[in-house]
Amino acid sequence: DSGVTQTPKHLITATGQRVTLRCSPRSGDLSVYWYQQSLDQGLQFLIHYYNGEERAKGNILERFSAQQFPDLHSELNLSSLELGDSALYFCASTQGGLSETQYFGPGTRLLVL
Amino acid sequence: DQQVKQNSPSLSVQEGRISILNCDYTNSMFDYFLWYKKYPAEGPTFLISISSIKDKNEDGRFTVFLNKSAKHLSLHIVPSQPGDSAVYFCAASGADKLIFGTGTRLQVFP
Repeated sequence: DSGVTQTPKHLITATGQRVTLRCSPRSGDLSVYWYQQSLDQGLQFLIHYYNGEERAKGNILERFSAQQFPDLHSELNLSSLELGDSALYFCASTQGGLSETQYFGPGTRLLVL
Repeated sequence: DQQVKQNSPSLSVQEGRISILNCDYTNSMFDYFLWYKKYPAEGPTFLISISSIKDKNEDGRFTVFLNKSAKHLSLHIVPSQPGDSAVYFCAASGADKLIFGTGTRLQVFP
């Protein structure tokens, strides 16, 4: 158990819909990172938040957005969903920045039908 | 543009032998490298890391080698055990980026 929690575990929705994925970092960690893993793909970095502020953006689509709240949990919002958005979405946390070991949550499996 | 490449999607090794997983990168700005292991239905877990100022880091059965001139790193597992069967991701960090490779599925058979 990494100490990072993600909800929901599974999500099935239809094209055009909007979903919200939630992540709670390990106690004491200020950074949250979001990743997407599609079939046969590596982990694609989406976005990094540190203590409520966006720090870095990766390959995140404009239809996707994220935020980190004062209690440090984070939400990833995916809108106008397409079939290709079906993937595993992981969040990870660290105390500070990228040079630290990231602790990953169990992931949310999103299926868009 | 794949900055971190794991060219072998899978590797099969007999129990007790050495497993060698390889990773190549293209960006010389990367200064910290990590290996993660992933079991099905779980998030990746950290295995071992190496800073660019070193060329080797060892932790028990796991050793990571870094060849900066070749922009290549490798993970050696010796001896390999059936419980090591998983997908292994290498990752490279630097300049506010953390890039993962596509993973190598290791199968250790008895």
